[in-house]
Amino acid sequence: AQRVTQPEKLLSVFKGAPVELKCNYSYSGSPELFWYVQYSRQRLQLLLRHISRESIKGFTADLNKGETSFHLKKPFAQEEDSAMYYCALGGSQGNLIFGKGTKLSVKP
Amino acid sequence: DGGITQSPKYLFRKEGQNVTLSCEQNLNHDAMYWYRQDPGQGLRLIYYSQIVNDFQKGDIAEGYSVSREKKESFPLTVTSAQKNPTAFYLCASSKLAGGEQFFGPGTRLTVL
Repeated sequence: AQRVTQPEKLLSVFKGAPVELKCNYSYSGSPELFWYVQYSRQRLQLLLRHISRESIKGFTADLNKGETSFHLKKPFAQEEDSAMYYCALGGSQGNLIFGKGTKLSVKP
Repeated sequence: DGGITQSPKYLFRKEGQNVTLSCEQNLNHDAMYWYRQDPGQGLRLIYYSQIVNDFQKGDIAEGYSVSREKKESFPLTVTSAQKNPTAFYLCASSKLAGGEQFFGPGTRLTVL
């Protein structure tokens, strides 16, 4: 079965602290993974995808096939990072399978 | 922003009525998608279409219907058969199936 698990509904950190949002997936083939972000009153938008291996807004994510994980990391959280984060897996039909999301709250 | 629009932003419906949510894109994307977003549930796929005049059911298609008569339009009808239609509905499109998806601003449907 194709599935994405985000174990934390809410993650709260202080400004300047490291942050890691966890994502695990279940997929039999070669996975394509994404992180989407939804800031308050804004559209859901792509943050990064594992193929590009880019760092966006200081966030990185490494695909670990052995652990079937795609955790999102940032060394120093900022208040503007507060948002809802969704991990997504490219499905076999061309669709996206989303996790339930993690709400990140960065406190001053 | 821009490129993919949804209307209306808010929609109210009485029980037993069908209602159609609009989704339009001018990005020349082949694929379009409808998701339902509920608190604590993430996004769940209702229907998707990879090309004009073709569409497939997603995970929660019961009580919904779609059409894809034009490349730029993918309307979603919420029928009276949908047991719990009150939700936030998101439309998305991508150049090709499996590519980066671009999302609309959403429509919040409330059944009174």
